[in-house]
Amino acid sequence: KAGVTQTPRYLIKTRGQQVTLSCSPISGHRSVSWYQQTPGQGLQFLFEYFSETQRNKGNFPGRFSGRQFSNSRSEMNVSTLELGDSALYLCASSLAGRGVTEAFFGQGTRLTVV
Amino acid sequence: DAKTTQPPSMDCAEGRAANLPCNHSTISGNEYVYWYRQIHSQGPQYIIHGLKNNETNEMASLIITEDRKSSTLILPHATLRDTAVYYCIVRTPFNDYKLSFGAGTTVTVRA
Repeated sequence: KAGVTQTPRYLIKTRGQQVTLSCSPISGHRSVSWYQQTPGQGLQFLFEYFSETQRNKGNFPGRFSGRQFSNSRSEMNVSTLELGDSALYLCASSLAGRGVTEAFFGQGTRLTVV
Repeated sequence: DAKTTQPPSMDCAEGRAANLPCNHSTISGNEYVYWYRQIHSQGPQYIIHGLKNNETNEMASLIITEDRKSSTLILPHATLRDTAVYYCIVRTPFNDYKLSFGAGTTVTVRA
């Protein structure tokens, strides 16, 4: 079966702009969680959506937001981009949720803010 | 929240067992230990998880010490394809869980 698909794979944005990233989970999975990965901070949890509701969120500013649609696809939005937002953004889907519980990750979207 | 520490790197000979340690000395009794690995330019891949008991699956074994302050991931017969960064993660229970990610151990399997 198809894995987790993230689009786009690469993105370059200018400081102050906003960006929307997309994640299509594995069919049947109702949980989608998002992570930021940087060389300095490593992996950090952003938020999790389950059945269109945000179920949990990490310690990120309100500029980071997300949503989930009825087909379980999820989007993540970052407004007023800062240079420090440059990172690999990963999404993961799972049946039961709770973040890393037997989750399947996409290949990520590499965001560069200039 | 549990603080998770891992050695930055280790080498392993192909065909030998690779033992990857993780220290989570502040772990609470109801926090789970997860292991993932990330091969270059791919997303992390789930390996195994446990709470108190040792666990084994087709990929690896997870040994958790009796006091739960540390754990070891064992890859029984390492292959070149096991070269990756291995992450130890501690998760609190319930829907408002907290995640504590280790910085990862870069494992290089040599022929």
